[in-house]
Amino acid sequence: DQQVKQNSPSLSVQEGRISILNCDYTNSMFDYFLWYKKYPAEGPTFLISISSIKDKNEDGRFTVFLNKSAKHLSLHIVPSQPGDSAVYFCAARDYGGSQGNLIFGKGTKLSVKP
Amino acid sequence: KAGVTQTPRYLIKTRGQQVTLSCSPISGHRSVSWYQQTPGQGLQFLFEYFSETQRNKGNFPGRFSGRQFSNSRSEMNVSTLELGDSALYLCASSLAGTGELYGYTFGSGTRLTVV
Repeated sequence: DQQVKQNSPSLSVQEGRISILNCDYTNSMFDYFLWYKKYPAEGPTFLISISSIKDKNEDGRFTVFLNKSAKHLSLHIVPSQPGDSAVYFCAARDYGGSQGNLIFGKGTKLSVKP
Repeated sequence: KAGVTQTPRYLIKTRGQQVTLSCSPISGHRSVSWYQQTPGQGLQFLFEYFSETQRNKGNFPGRFSGRQFSNSRSEMNVSTLELGDSALYLCASSLAGTGELYGYTFGSGTRLTVV
């Protein structure tokens, strides 16, 4: 059973517009949520995180929103740039149950067109 | 400071063979986790080692094993390779594995192809 779901395998956005990547989860014990960005032939790199006690975290062009009641989080990228084209993974940390390993979604491939 | 180093970067093996992948974590990091990435399944957790002990294990068959040395370097081994084991294997390190706000630092991975 997939605990972290990214239902959109791909997303295409025009340069300068907003990119919204979505993620749903099922386990209410997750205490941190993270977004990673991955280019082909490279390992994932950390982008931004949010604690389960917050509902928003912002870092430059990147903002993550958490809706605990809906078990939903989203990553907003504004404005989108061609260099943002990559696969984005949502991850959740199950601190209590699994001693901290991250559970990843299957990823969303973002394409930002010039 | 040096990042997470995985060797080799690419590997081609034949079905039935075994393979050993290596991961050197960031200096000072004591936790090493391994993930398998395939196009259909995303990143799936294999196992985590901390201070030479396997602390957590994902849902993979016993053909997948690992170990960690006293210098925190880790190896993972896959025996009796199957075509479905073809994947990108990623290693990630962190200071303690449980208290990290920013998760892990990943290496670039080892691309394993089984033919």
